[in-house]
Amino acid sequence: SAVISQKPSRDICQRGTSLTIQCQVDSQVTMMFWYRQQPGQSLTLIATANQGSEATYESGFVIDKFPISRPNLTFSTLTVSNMSPEDSSIYLCSVMNGGVGTEAFFGQGTRLTVV
Amino acid sequence: DAKTTQPNSMESNEEEPVHLPCNHSTISGTDYIHWYRQLPSQGPEYVIHGLTSNVNNRMASLAIAEDRKSSTLILHRATLRDAAVYYCIANAGGTSYGKLTFGQGTILTVHP
Repeated sequence: SAVISQKPSRDICQRGTSLTIQCQVDSQVTMMFWYRQQPGQSLTLIATANQGSEATYESGFVIDKFPISRPNLTFSTLTVSNMSPEDSSIYLCSVMNGGVGTEAFFGQGTRLTVV
Repeated sequence: DAKTTQPNSMESNEEEPVHLPCNHSTISGTDYIHWYRQLPSQGPEYVIHGLTSNVNNRMASLAIAEDRKSSTLILHRATLRDAAVYYCIANAGGTSYGKLTFGQGTILTVHP
């Protein structure tokens, strides 16, 4: 298993500003992902955080809006840039370790409100 | 990931078994079937996963149809703590490994 700590747990931000969310894992993991959960909706994958290289983004998400860093095998950050009220969501970090068929673990999420 | 179909909601009484169905008719032979649940105000929690054979763990059992086009998550004795949204995901390997496609899930209500 893996224990994931996300910071901050929640924040209220002004539109036009940026927020960086941190994800710390208690052990080295091969795969790290960032998801978004809009109010009342299910989770949507934003990107795969690749260690030592640029993140891989899913359709509809771009690096300029959601820059991601992953400097090592236990840590990643997601920045939500130039925020608007539509960015109000829960952002979740997820990790997988091992080969195909292993389970994923999720952080508790960062609840972001943009005003 | 293959598309999955789940009922929007189900209800159960405490201490009774619960069978949560999932259809995944377009699943490929190498897709693993994952179940996660999300309690209110929490991140998703892993429940169980399998490929072909039925699986048991301390939380639940997973029954996979012989043709793999459907599966059922079984909670043997529901408790109030089991009230959550349950997600069934057919996760592909290869370049899709680890990228989970969440549907709307099944909202499970447990009555005392």
